[in-house]
Amino acid sequence: AQTVTQSQPEMSVQEAETVTLSCTYDTSENNYYLFWYKQPPSRQMILVIRQEAYKQQNATENRFSVNFQKAAKSFSLKISDSQLGDTAMYFCAFAGGTSYGKLTFGQGTILTVHP
Amino acid sequence: SAVISQKPSRDICQRGTSLTIQCQVDSQVTMMFWYRQQPGQSLTLIATANQGSEATYESGFVIDKFPISRPNLTFSTLTVSNMSPEDSSIYLCSVGLFGTGGYTGELFFGEGSRLTVL
Repeated sequence: AQTVTQSQPEMSVQEAETVTLSCTYDTSENNYYLFWYKQPPSRQMILVIRQEAYKQQNATENRFSVNFQKAAKSFSLKISDSQLGDTAMYFCAFAGGTSYGKLTFGQGTILTVHP
Repeated sequence: SAVISQKPSRDICQRGTSLTIQCQVDSQVTMMFWYRQQPGQSLTLIATANQGSEATYESGFVIDKFPISRPNLTFSTLTVSNMSPEDSSIYLCSVGLFGTGGYTGELFFGEGSRLTVL
């Protein structure tokens, strides 16, 4: 069974600064996907970024980028130029290559961006 | 992407009653799932809603407690039966899509239904 661990229950950052959220996972699969989801107070789960395990290049989406270390089973999220709207709960999630929708989520990290 | 509508958005329920949550998707989707998010917790998969057949439940969840229907490729319901305060949670409907390159792995989520059981 896969496990996903987020060791930072809460993080805070000043507006315009950079913050990194940590995630580690454990799996015996070789083909899988990793995700970061954002859940603001409105409850809507929003996909922030996705990484396929077979791709060595780290995924980037505007201000969001990941540091994917497959051997170390680490998948951290870096948010650059933090904005007040980035305040939310962030979940790291894992999907096996054949699990088709069965995401395993980490415990979440509450990120607060201060003005 | 997909637009997913859930009803009700929130409800307050009495112990021992049952409530049905509806999930409507704006396009036909093969994969549809129900997740639970207990207060302050992460998301846990309840079951896969299979069109035209019985849902596939994850360990710890049973059909008698969480009956699921999926009559077509755009609609599903989840019923929370004989509710107790421990069932107070956000219940989320989600769908998986196939892109031009095949299965993308990601899920799209509804806004969730927040149930409070007194």
